[in-house]
Amino acid sequence: DGGITQSPKYLFRKEGQNVTLSCEQNLNHDAMYWYRQDPGQGLRLIYYSQIVNDFQKGDIAEGYSVSREKKESFPLTVTSAQKNPTAFYLCASSIGAGENIQYFGAGTRLSVL
Amino acid sequence: AQKITQTQPGMFVQEKEAVTLDCTYDTSDPSYGLFWYKQPSSGEMIFLIYQGSYDQQNATEGRYSLNFQKARKSANLVISASQLGDSAMYFCAMREGGYGQNFVFGPGTRLSVLP
Repeated sequence: DGGITQSPKYLFRKEGQNVTLSCEQNLNHDAMYWYRQDPGQGLRLIYYSQIVNDFQKGDIAEGYSVSREKKESFPLTVTSAQKNPTAFYLCASSIGAGENIQYFGAGTRLSVL
Repeated sequence: AQKITQTQPGMFVQEKEAVTLDCTYDTSDPSYGLFWYKQPSSGEMIFLIYQGSYDQQNATEGRYSLNFQKARKSANLVISASQLGDSAMYFCAMREGGYGQNFVFGPGTRLSVLP
């Protein structure tokens, strides 16, 4: 079955530590996105990528980094510079950047120890 | 300014009844798209329905329909014959212009379906 796989489902970060969230899709989509969701709120865009080896900052990119070395993979690193990383992180993809519908993974819940 | 407004933090509906979830939006772009997503307690965002700004007819997908009133900048979701499995958070979202990255979500409405 085609879809978007995020791992791990739960992740814990120690102070000063970088952690990486995985996002893999087998939908052959060109565009991929990372969102952050805080309790009781909607989604906010962190980073997006329209094509391999290219990505742009979203609304809340500070303290995060991404890479897009392969079409199917778009990992997100939460760096130690992100002072409030506790949130639910969702990865999405769409056929192209101009395509309308974004499809989402099941999310990763990140907590700080 | 809020681009997507969902004024109902929580809604209750009796099983088998219809329910309307409100969404108003703000944009000056003539080309835009409106979306509704469902987020059950598991966390995954599930796409429900899409309406383009130039679409002449209201979108429908099974039990979901979108009541699009362009002049009022309103895109309400109507769920007919509610089921217990419809209990979830519902998010209205908008894409402005021609690029998928300009995607803005509303704060959501929590729908509870009562048996």
